[in-house]
Amino acid sequence: LAKTTQPISMDSYEGQEVNITCSHNNIATNDYITWYQQFPSQGPRFIIQGYKTKVTNEVASLFIPADRKSSTLSLPRVSLSDTAVYYCLVGAGYQLTFGKGTKLSVIP
Amino acid sequence: NAGVTQTPKFQVLKTGQSMTLQCAQDMNHNSMYWYRQDPGMGLRLIYYSASEGTTDKGEVPNGYNVSRLNKREFSLRLESAAPSQTSVYFCASSRDGNLGQYFGPGTRLTVT
Repeated sequence: LAKTTQPISMDSYEGQEVNITCSHNNIATNDYITWYQQFPSQGPRFIIQGYKTKVTNEVASLFIPADRKSSTLSLPRVSLSDTAVYYCLVGAGYQLTFGKGTKLSVIP
Repeated sequence: NAGVTQTPKFQVLKTGQSMTLQCAQDMNHNSMYWYRQDPGMGLRLIYYSASEGTTDKGEVPNGYNVSRLNKREFSLRLESAAPSQTSVYFCASSRDGNLGQYFGPGTRLTVT
């Protein structure tokens, strides 16, 4: 199983771009990289998924370098409502690993 | 479209008691998952089901059994609860094992 490492916490001011990086040195060839957002007392919510290069959707971008040993979730112009814990997930099926999460605090 | 539903929302058990956590999805997904979430540990996979009638062990399967009786429902059973099983349990589903997962609201279980 891939081992994942994320920063424990980050602070950002409203309106700034936030980048959260996840390291996954032993990622397997078939592994996808997925990011989730979780608010207190709720289940995680899917944000974005990628395999390589860059993926963008209406809420975030995901950057994956060619060696795929890390990935960066980019949140443009964060607001107070983006205060949450963000998890990276590497793998698929029964062979997957969640990171321990990055607590993002957005400051007014 | 309710997504993923879980019952119960809260449960308190005594050591040695048994119970079943229920999960259902109405998105016609093939894959379903059971996780536990403990403070500082993130989410850890207990069991995975790729389709009806198939299950695979995840990272922490000991003390649990699962049943995927049909495409919609995936249950998690604790035969003899232990205090170490105090946790928040999440069920999730996805169209297949490679795609993003949709999570239920969770069951908070306390074993005394």
